[in-house]
Amino acid sequence: SAVISQKPSRDICQRGTSLTIQCQVDSQVTMMFWYRQQPGQSLTLIATANQGSEATYESGFVIDKFPISRPNLTFSTLTVSNMSPEDSSIYLCSVVGGRGTEAFFGQGTRLTVV
Amino acid sequence: AQSVTQPDIHITVSEGASLELRCNYSYGATPYLFWYVQSPGQGLQLLLKYFSGDTLVQGIKGFEAEFKRSQSSFNLRKPSVHWSDAAEYFCAVGSPLNRDDKIIFGKGTRLHILP
Repeated sequence: SAVISQKPSRDICQRGTSLTIQCQVDSQVTMMFWYRQQPGQSLTLIATANQGSEATYESGFVIDKFPISRPNLTFSTLTVSNMSPEDSSIYLCSVVGGRGTEAFFGQGTRLTVV
Repeated sequence: AQSVTQPDIHITVSEGASLELRCNYSYGATPYLFWYVQSPGQGLQLLLKYFSGDTLVQGIKGFEAEFKRSQSSFNLRKPSVHWSDAAEYFCAVGSPLNRDDKIIFGKGTRLHILP
């Protein structure tokens, strides 16, 4: 298993500003994943962050809006840029324990944009 | 690319009744399959998973799921539900043939329990 810490746990932000979310894992992992869960919705994968290379974004998500850093094998950040109320969601960091194992999740960052 | 469909947005059952939540996947081979549960205001908890082998998988909290290749399904079952089972249930699929390990989630089924 993996223990994932996310910061901040919640924030209220003004529209037009940016927020950077941090994700720390207690073990080295190759891939880290960022998901968004809009109110009452399922988890949508934003991007896959591989250490040493640019993140791979899913359809509908772009680097300018959601820049990701992956400086080492235990840490990643997701920035939500130029925020609007539609960005109000829970953002979740995730890792997979090993090839073919389940995903482990941080507790999420609850973002409200006003 | 893999995808997963949960046809039922809401399911309501009486306490003590049996439960089946449907999940269908799309993938070119046998995928990794998961069921997660999310209680209101809580994080995700893994109920069970299928990678290979026995197609009937036992999970926590009395849940089980059966992988049926011919139907591309991985339905979740419980013989007798408890009021505490009221939650959102997500089926998810992973891709053994891909280099990445990403897991894609279905839209979820919200389970309501009648007393």
